[in-house]
Amino acid sequence: EDQVTQSPEALRLQEGESSSLNCSYTVSGLRGLFWYRQDPGKGPEFLFTLYSAGEEKEKERLKATLTKKESFLHITAPKPEDSATYLCAVLRSTSGTYKYIFGTGTRLKVLA
Amino acid sequence: SQTIHQWPATLVQPVGSPLSLECTVEGTSNPNLYWYRQAAGRGLQLLFYSVGIGQISSEVPQNLSASRPQDRQFILSSKKLLLSDSGFYLCAWSVTPNTEAFFGQGTRLTVV
Repeated sequence: EDQVTQSPEALRLQEGESSSLNCSYTVSGLRGLFWYRQDPGKGPEFLFTLYSAGEEKEKERLKATLTKKESFLHITAPKPEDSATYLCAVLRSTSGTYKYIFGTGTRLKVLA
Repeated sequence: SQTIHQWPATLVQPVGSPLSLECTVEGTSNPNLYWYRQAAGRGLQLLFYSVGIGQISSEVPQNLSASRPQDRQFILSSKKLLLSDSGFYLCAWSVTPNTEAFFGQGTRLTVV
């Protein structure tokens, strides 16, 4: 069964304390992995797309990496404004039909 | 640039009443359109997707329906709401089925 698991469920960091969020997946026909940021009561905001193992993407304090079984979102020297829920989604293809499968997210709180 | 509009932001409806949520996309043609529902502690659940006018695919049999009367308009409807229809509804679009999706700001629906 296709599955996307994010860990930890919640994470509290001090400002400047770097850490990583994990997204592990068991999906057949993987066609891509996406990271989103979601603020309370808002829709998810697109961050990164990763298509193949070994690929890395960076944006400000965020860096996403991908292996054959998992992806990491590294947060370097986070600031309070980085507090949000981070979602990952995998895109799988079955018989020419594409479908996103989302994880339940990691709630990140960065304390000043 | 492309933008997505979704309204209303919040909605409180009695059980048994009808529902109509609207979503429009600007700045692109023939987008792939999606309706998702997000429940607390659960990943985003795909409800409907559309690759073109009048073409609707349903992922989960339920009390809801979707329509795409125009290229950039996607409507989520129900004839009679149930308590279990409460949730956070998100509209999204993508250029192709295998690229990142961009989300609207969501509608918080409470059925009372």
